[in-house]
Amino acid sequence: DTGVSQDPRHKITKRGQNVTFRCDPISEHNRLYWYRQTLGQGPEFLTYFQNEAQLEKSRLLSDRFSAERPKGSFSTLEIQRTEQGDSAMYLCASSLSTDSPLHFGNGTRLTVT
Amino acid sequence: GNSVTQMEGPVTLSEEAFLTINCTYTATGYPSLFWYVQYPGEGLQLLLKATKADDKGSNKGFEATYRKETTSFHLEKGSVQVSDSAVYFCALSAGTGANNLFFGTGTRLTVIP
Repeated sequence: DTGVSQDPRHKITKRGQNVTFRCDPISEHNRLYWYRQTLGQGPEFLTYFQNEAQLEKSRLLSDRFSAERPKGSFSTLEIQRTEQGDSAMYLCASSLSTDSPLHFGNGTRLTVT
Repeated sequence: GNSVTQMEGPVTLSEEAFLTINCTYTATGYPSLFWYVQYPGEGLQLLLKATKADDKGSNKGFEATYRKETTSFHLEKGSVQVSDSAVYFCALSAGTGANNLFFGTGTRLTVIP
């Protein structure tokens, strides 16, 4: 069990640019989640995959956000035309099944200047 | 809807003091309840959980009891250590199949020697 891996750890970008983050879940986990955490707040659910299917999206996930999990393994989260309000920690988690706990990665911290 | 209200911090205690962090929830259906911990520089880790009313979750000396009548899941530890210094998050899973979590805002605990 190598844990959930996220890349990069930090990303600084200028407003209006596109960014993409990657998440590698624990290998046998078929469920993968994206959360966003802003300073002083708890993580907020963004979206969830079971294998390659994106089954649920939060209203927080605006049209500028898109997530993929093309082969049911790693996932990417892309933010287009970034805004300063997108600055946050983006967390990925994976789980084995409905009854299994979520395992979180260390997150990608995005700063939009 | 689903939400978690958590005692605001920060909380500062002396080593060996008794800890309580309050957590109450609002949920549709029959949620599972969790405490996650985030140590400095690390990702979120599951501390303990309870899946039905009157269940007690416990781990590393921490305990929390699922109280349906008061919709609460307070975290307690009888004697804290410096190594317990972290941010603690209460969370619920709505149990609708997605297994995604709703988090409280987190409580920062600092234990001083």
